[in-house]
Amino acid sequence: DVKVTQSSRYLVKRTGEKVFLECVQDMDHENMFWYRQDPGLGLRLIYFSYDVKMKEKGDIPEGYSVSREKKERFSLILESASTNQTSMYLCASSLGVGAFFGQGTRLTVV
Amino acid sequence: AQRVTQPEKLLSVFKGAPVELKCNYSYSGSPELFWYVQYSRQRLQLLLRHISRESIKGFTADLNKGETSFHLKKPFAQEEDSAMYYCALKRDSNYQLIWGAGTKLIIKP
Repeated sequence: DVKVTQSSRYLVKRTGEKVFLECVQDMDHENMFWYRQDPGLGLRLIYFSYDVKMKEKGDIPEGYSVSREKKERFSLILESASTNQTSMYLCASSLGVGAFFGQGTRLTVV
Repeated sequence: AQRVTQPEKLLSVFKGAPVELKCNYSYSGSPELFWYVQYSRQRLQLLLRHISRESIKGFTADLNKGETSFHLKKPFAQEEDSAMYYCALKRDSNYQLIWGAGTKLIIKP
């Protein structure tokens, strides 16, 4: 069974804080993704990575950055959290096209 | 532009009734389409993909290129089918997926 694990299920952060969301996968997948999931908007891609140290912007990268120093780990960074970044964040990994998802991190920025 | 549209935000049917979750796409080439499901408090997971032409948990989905649709169907709904369903389209150039907004399916007893 593929395991994609996100470090936190729930997070509450203050406006302006730097926030790190961590994701680890155990199947040696090359592709990893970070999405936001908001009601009525579906999943929106923030960033993805197709190899170590490689990253590409998705549809909504503003206010976010990512880091992929090791193949199994993909981190999402909110440089200065804002209230409009309150959302559910989903990490996914894939080898081909079908993606495997983490359990999600519900981030609330107050 | 590539796009996926799920016109229904919410669909409510009685147990035992047929279910059809609609998905329409906009794509100029040969599409690869998927249905994902998220049960309450569980992670998002792949339900089926059109290439496999399989039936999972009684659900099927047929790609209709003429109508650019990939509707998800089940002849007899069960209460455990209640979930959020997303339709997704593979992008041209890489392994990214384009997602519909999702449909919340509620099965009434």
